[in-house]
Amino acid sequence: EAAVTQSPRNKVTVTGGNVTLSCRQTNSHNYMYWYRQDTGHGLRLIHYSYGAGNLQIGDVPDGYKATRTTQEDFFLLLELASPSQTSLYFCASSGSDWGPYAEQFFGPGTRLTVL
Amino acid sequence: QQKVQQSPESLTVSEGAMASLNCTFSDGTSDNFRWYRQHSGKGLEVLVSIFSDGEKEEGRFTAHLNRASLHVSLHIREPQPSDSAVYLCAMSMPGGYKVVFGSGTRLLVSP
Repeated sequence: EAAVTQSPRNKVTVTGGNVTLSCRQTNSHNYMYWYRQDTGHGLRLIHYSYGAGNLQIGDVPDGYKATRTTQEDFFLLLELASPSQTSLYFCASSGSDWGPYAEQFFGPGTRLTVL
Repeated sequence: QQKVQQSPESLTVSEGAMASLNCTFSDGTSDNFRWYRQHSGKGLEVLVSIFSDGEKEEGRFTAHLNRASLHVSLHIREPQPSDSAVYLCAMSMPGGYKVVFGSGTRLLVSP
């Protein structure tokens, strides 16, 4: 089964702070995703990538940057954190050889609180 | 923008009774649908994937898809307290890797 890990699991920062969330997958998947999950909204796609150096904009990208440094590693950056970014963040990966129906495997999530 | 509406928001059933969850989606162009389960503080685990109209069974979990009525459901047979979790339905959009999620149904299975 696909292994997706996230760090940190919990993070508290202050408004205007700089935060980096990390995600690593060890199953040679090409596609990686960052979502945020909020009550009443379900999961919303922030950014995704289909390979090292590639970045695609999702549905709620404002205030977020992302970088895909290797096939395994995908980072989400909040350079000026705001309280509206308090949320539960999930990383996911999927294999490109399954075509557009690839199942996404999720990490355990990072709970971010911006005070 | 594509949307997925889940109902009910929360559901309590007794152990052993059938649990039924519903999703309505905004258009019929989606490629496929999945049901995920999320235990508190955990990530998402996929339960059932369904690609065509009809029924798909995975153990105690059965999904029904009806594109004409823009509806997909999940039925949990003989639910157990360990099935207490949030259930999310998701639809994949054609031509890419975008997935749209519903906001979830919180299921509580009482002993």
